[in-house]
Amino acid sequence: GESVGLHLPTLSVQEGDNSIINCAYSNSASDYFIWYKQESGKGPQFIIDIRSNMDKRQGQRVTVLLNKTVKHLSLQIAATQPGDSAVYFCAERVGGGNKLTFGTGTQLKVEL
Amino acid sequence: SAVISQKPSRDICQRGTSLTIQCQVDSQVTMMFWYRQQPGQSLTLIATANQGSEATYESGFVIDKFPISRPNLTFSTLTVSNMSPEDSSIYLCSGGMDEQFFGPGTRLTVL
Repeated sequence: GESVGLHLPTLSVQEGDNSIINCAYSNSASDYFIWYKQESGKGPQFIIDIRSNMDKRQGQRVTVLLNKTVKHLSLQIAATQPGDSAVYFCAERVGGGNKLTFGTGTQLKVEL
Repeated sequence: SAVISQKPSRDICQRGTSLTIQCQVDSQVTMMFWYRQQPGQSLTLIATANQGSEATYESGFVIDKFPISRPNLTFSTLTVSNMSPEDSSIYLCSGGMDEQFFGPGTRLTVL
């Protein structure tokens, strides 16, 4: 469903620290998950994805962890940089379908 | 990956008028989607644009208000009809099968 009237949760980190952004998903039938980064005035940008048959996947400076037992997804960003400042969304897809359902998003602020 | 462009990037429209937003993909994609995003909020799926057939709309969205065309595998349009201030939002298209790639969005303001 659509979020109504809520401010985005914010995560503030120091430049160079690691960031961990969390996402809880609701549908146990979801089999595919994506993390997106959205900078102000731009569309969401694909960061990394993971399928439900995996519990960890690594990219360049990013790692996604999936815990299906508690329906939890996290995005870890190593050595956070000012350019990482953005809103981060997780999205899930229910098995057998094509549609993505987006989470509420987290605003990441990197402090110098 | 696919590169997606949208036109217009922004517009200010009068109540009661309609606006058609175009979405162009640089390669053929099986699936295309239209989303709405209120400022500071998440994305809500409006509909799946099906090539050669009627779009599939999500709950709360109807064809009369948001007619969609998908004449081929690289192009789609979304029309916001009989607009009211409540339609002021960012409209985004995406394409792809597993990974969905997004356009830059169309920022619509209805007066």
